[in-house]
Amino acid sequence: GAGVSQSPRYKVAKRGQDVALRCDPISGHVSLFWYQQALGQGPEFLTYFQNEAQLDKSGLPSDRFFAERPEGSVSTLKIQRTQQEDSAVYLCASSGGHHSNQPQHFGDGTRLSIL
Amino acid sequence: QKEVEQDPGPLSVPEGAIVSLNCTYSNSAFQYFMWYRQYSRKGPELLMYTYSSGNKEDGRFTAQVDKSSKYISLFIRDSQPSDSATYLCAMAIQGAQKLVFGQGTRLTINP
Repeated sequence: GAGVSQSPRYKVAKRGQDVALRCDPISGHVSLFWYQQALGQGPEFLTYFQNEAQLDKSGLPSDRFFAERPEGSVSTLKIQRTQQEDSAVYLCASSGGHHSNQPQHFGDGTRLSIL
Repeated sequence: QKEVEQDPGPLSVPEGAIVSLNCTYSNSAFQYFMWYRQYSRKGPELLMYTYSSGNKEDGRFTAQVDKSSKYISLFIRDSQPSDSATYLCAMAIQGAQKLVFGQGTRLTINP
């Protein structure tokens, strides 16, 4: 596709439910990133994939957060047993090439609200 | 203290004014510096991407990096109402993939 696509755009869940957020990166982009953006704040890094390999998950806030990219393209961020503090916008970004520090291009995010 | 500091504003200026947006940082290992623009309910859009120190110009936008002062700036000339958005600075270490963002500055250009 022309850009990074994320779905759903909005998700409302009750506390304790599991949610799954999807990211379709720009076609051919090797690197994929997840960020969390709280209201009025800048995005914060969660995790990074190069192809199907998860090379950095240092930003995941707890073991309730899990990300995968099994075929090196589409990625899913899963949050188990959601808590109110998980309410945020979850942004996905992708970049091309194997070299580090390539420009990252973002999707429009999934706005998650936990009731 | 955060690694990247950015005044959240809000900043309001008249149309046609020159806008100056700034970030400071504490980690001297940052080598890559970016400015993103984010409209309401949209994802960040890359505006400028620079490596190390110096200036870079693209149309009405100029990015400056002063590594000795750990200070970066974005200048917008002939500002337009369509420039109204939140501007995020972001930085990265050589060889590292994750971006470290500032809080974002909310800018309004008044017609």
